Amino acid sequence: GDSVTQMEGPVTLSEEAFLTINCTYTATGYPSLFWYVQYPGEGLQLLLKATKADDKGSNKGFEATYRKETTSFHLEKGSVQVSDSAVYFCALWTDSNYQLIWGAGTKLIIKP
Amino acid sequence: DTGVSQDPRHKITKRGQNVTFRCDPISEHNRLYWYRQTLGQGPEFLTYFQNEAQLEKSRLLSDRFSAERPKGSFSTLEIQRTEQGDSAMYLCASSKGGGVYEQYFGPGTRLTVT
Repeated sequence: GDSVTQMEGPVTLSEEAFLTINCTYTATGYPSLFWYVQYPGEGLQLLLKATKADDKGSNKGFEATYRKETTSFHLEKGSVQVSDSAVYFCALWTDSNYQLIWGAGTKLIIKP
Repeated sequence: DTGVSQDPRHKITKRGQNVTFRCDPISEHNRLYWYRQTLGQGPEFLTYFQNEAQLEKSRLLSDRFSAERPKGSFSTLEIQRTEQGDSAMYLCASSKGGGVYEQYFGPGTRLTVT
């Protein structure tokens, strides 16, 4: 079945470092891809999305490009801040699933 | 837009008891989802509604779990004869539709079964 694999955390970086969180997927159809973020004590919220191959989603300085050839949707940010500390989830949607398929999440810790 | 709300935020119950959680979605959203999340894992789909119709239910959901959305607005999730394995965060989300429509999540209800 369809699945999402994320790099294991926690990922610990210093402020202003470059961030990459890897996400790869397996899907039989043509999925839409999402990154959700969960800040401490808060609910999940959509960070960015891409609905077709080569689309780039971006928000709050984060970017991810839908790469069909490598079945990947890696999350990147050029300069992280302490406030970016959170758990990041990669997810996919296909109409055949009627639901979001989620990765296990990657905890990001940014140190000042 | 007041967001998705869930009640209660925390519930501690003894094994064998029944519990009921409530979710109030964003008012114009016709889709409502229930998920379960355990520590270190992503959300696990339980069920979803299109208006008042329950259209999909996870095979992981045992007969002890039931959900309703009687008037296509708020929803309830009931767990009967709770077990320790039911301890988790129960998340509710709503959206305007399926596919690329963003799902808006509530803060969750943390269930602890002792």
